[in-house]
This record gives sequence, structure tokens and C-alpha cells, in this order.
Amino acid sequence: EAQVTQNPRYLITVTGKKLTVTCSQNMNHEYMSWYRQDPGLGLRQIYYSMNVEVTDKGDVPEGYKVSRKEKRNFPLILESPSPNQTSLYFCASSSHGVYSNQPQHFGDGTRLSIL
Amino acid sequence: SQQGEEDPQALSIQEGENATMNCSYKTSINNLQWYRQNSGRGLVHLILIRSNEREKHSGRLRVTLDTSKKSSSLLITASRAADTASYFCATSRGGTSYGKLTFGQGTILTVHP
Repeated sequence: EAQVTQNPRYLITVTGKKLTVTCSQNMNHEYMSWYRQDPGLGLRQIYYSMNVEVTDKGDVPEGYKVSRKEKRNFPLILESPSPNQTSLYFCASSSHGVYSNQPQHFGDGTRLSIL
Repeated sequence: SQQGEEDPQALSIQEGENATMNCSYKTSINNLQWYRQNSGRGLVHLILIRSNEREKHSGRLRVTLDTSKKSSSLLITASRAADTASYFCATSRGGTSYGKLTFGQGTILTVHP
């Protein structure tokens, strides 16, 4: 089944403790992206990757890192999490970039709480 | 600020009625996409309309795009209780924003049986 898989689905942690949210897709998609969703703000793009070893900042990249060493994986790294990063996070992928008129396929989300 | 602004923020209708949601944006776009989100779940792509298109249909969905007014609308005809969800528009731009996708805040649709 074609899917985007995020792990963990839920995480409660403390300020400053490094964490990684994994994202994997099995559709051989070139483009992958991370979003955060907060009440009243919709989804905001954190980082995106047009292909392996190519990553770029979205609209809210501060406090996050990403890597794209393999086509299928696009982990989101919070080196020193803070409470304002408490949010619902989504990973998405598409066959090519959003500019090429391809729809995004979304994972089920990771609910992150930072105390 | 958000590229897409949606209106209304919430919409409550009876089953069988039509639901119309609007999206406005600020800068020129390459395409505009509509997504649906059931409570707390991932987004599901509904329909994509390119900047050179004016109208697209998919089943009970009809999307229009007016680039002169920088606005789009999503019409769901003969709504069902199962259509209850949040609906988001998202815009893709070119230039330095080549890989970016910008979402609006969404419209919460409630369809009463």
C-alpha cells in the first residue's frame, strides 16, 4: 500500500532533549516536506526536499533540522526542543515538486508535546 | 503571513445542501490545491487547479480559480454527513518559492444528518 509513515505518532518530552521524528515513503517520490499545524494558523511548511541531498527552508525552519540521505526517508530533528515547538507535525511527499502540479500525500501526523 | 486566507472559518449545513468555501491569496501562483482533513488526521488531496485553468470538477466537487481576483472557491454539492471535515487551500508559487506550498487556515465544515 502506498503510504507515508511517521514515527512516533505521539511523543511527550522535555525542553532541551534532542528528538527525531522519522518519515518514510514507499512511492519512490522525489519531493518530501515537513509541516506543523497549530490552531488558527493552518499548516506551515518547515523544510522541504526536492531530491536526495537537496533540502531547503520553508516558512518556519527555526529550531529544526532535516536530512535527506536516502530517497525514501526525511527525518525531522529537533536539536534542543522548546515548548513553542509543541504542535502536530505532518510529513508529506509527492512524485515531483509542488511546482510541477503534483498532489501531496500526507502521513497521519505526529503529536509532539514539549514540557 | 499566510498566502491563503479562507472564508468562512466555519460552515454548518444540512445534509443535501451545497457547501461553498473560498480561498484568497496574495501573490501569483502556479497552482492551487484543496485538501481535506478529518479530525486530527493527515490531509487528503482533493483537487488541483493550475493557474491557467478556470474550473475543474471531480465527482461532487467543483473548484474555480479567478487569478485576476486571486481567489478560488470549492463547492461540494449534495453534501453528506461524511463530508464533515476541515478543508484547506494551498498555493504553489514559482521563483524563489519553487518548492514551497503555503496553506490557508482552513474552513471547518459540519454537515448535519
